[in-house]
Amino acid sequence: NAGVTQTPKFQVLKTGQSMTLQCAQDMNHEYMSWYRQDPGMGLRLIHYSVGAGITDQGEVPNGYNVSRSTTEDFPLRLLSAAPSQTSVYFCASSYQQTSGNTIYFGEGSWLTVV
Amino acid sequence: GDSVTQMEGPVTLSEEAFLTINCTYTATGYPSLFWYVQYPGEGLQLLLKATKADDKGSNKGFEATYRKETTSFHLEKGSVQVSDSAVYFCALVGDGQNFVFGPGTRLSVLP
Repeated sequence: NAGVTQTPKFQVLKTGQSMTLQCAQDMNHEYMSWYRQDPGMGLRLIHYSVGAGITDQGEVPNGYNVSRSTTEDFPLRLLSAAPSQTSVYFCASSYQQTSGNTIYFGEGSWLTVV
Repeated sequence: GDSVTQMEGPVTLSEEAFLTINCTYTATGYPSLFWYVQYPGEGLQLLLKATKADDKGSNKGFEATYRKETTSFHLEKGSVQVSDSAVYFCALVGDGQNFVFGPGTRLSVLP
C-alpha cells in the first residue's frame, strides 16, 4: 500500500521563488493536512481539508496556499519562499476529522530556502 | 485551546533500562490520545492510542494509560533496545478538531 506519498523529498529554493509540495493518498481519506516540523516546536498545522473542495487554515498558514480538487490530492504551495520557511513538511490524512481516528503521515519533504 | 506538554529530553538510556516519557494535556471534552514515533529521516508512525479514560494502549512493548484525573498519558517500556532510539510525540484530538502534538522527546538507547 502506498499510503500517503509526498514529493519532492528534498528541495532547495532561493528566496522569492515559488514551488508546490505534492501530497497524494490512496486510502480514500476525507481529511488531509499539512504540518511543518521545526526543532523544539513539534508539528504545527499549516492548512487542512475535511473533503474535496473544502480547505481551512491551521496554526501557521501565512505564506502557504492549498487546494483540494480531488479526494486523493492536497498540494501545498509556497507563493514566495522565505528563509523562515526552511523546515520539514509533512502531509497527513485520516478517514475523518473525528476523535479516535488515526492520522497517517507521509515521509516528509525537507525544504531549504537560501 | 488544546495543548500537549511532554518532557523534551534528550533522554539517554542503556539497553534494557526502563523508559518513562511523561505527557500531560489540556483539552475540552474527551479527546483521544496518541503516541507517535519518528525514526531518523522518516515520517511519524502511530505507536499506540487510547480513546477513553482508563484505556491502555500498547504496542511493541510500549504502553500508556489514559488518566483523565491527572490529564496524563505517560509512555512506558520495561526494557528498551537500541532500535527504540527515535523521537516520540504525544498527541491528542477531539471531535471536529485537528491533531495537537507535543514538542517531541528524543530517546537515545546505548548498547
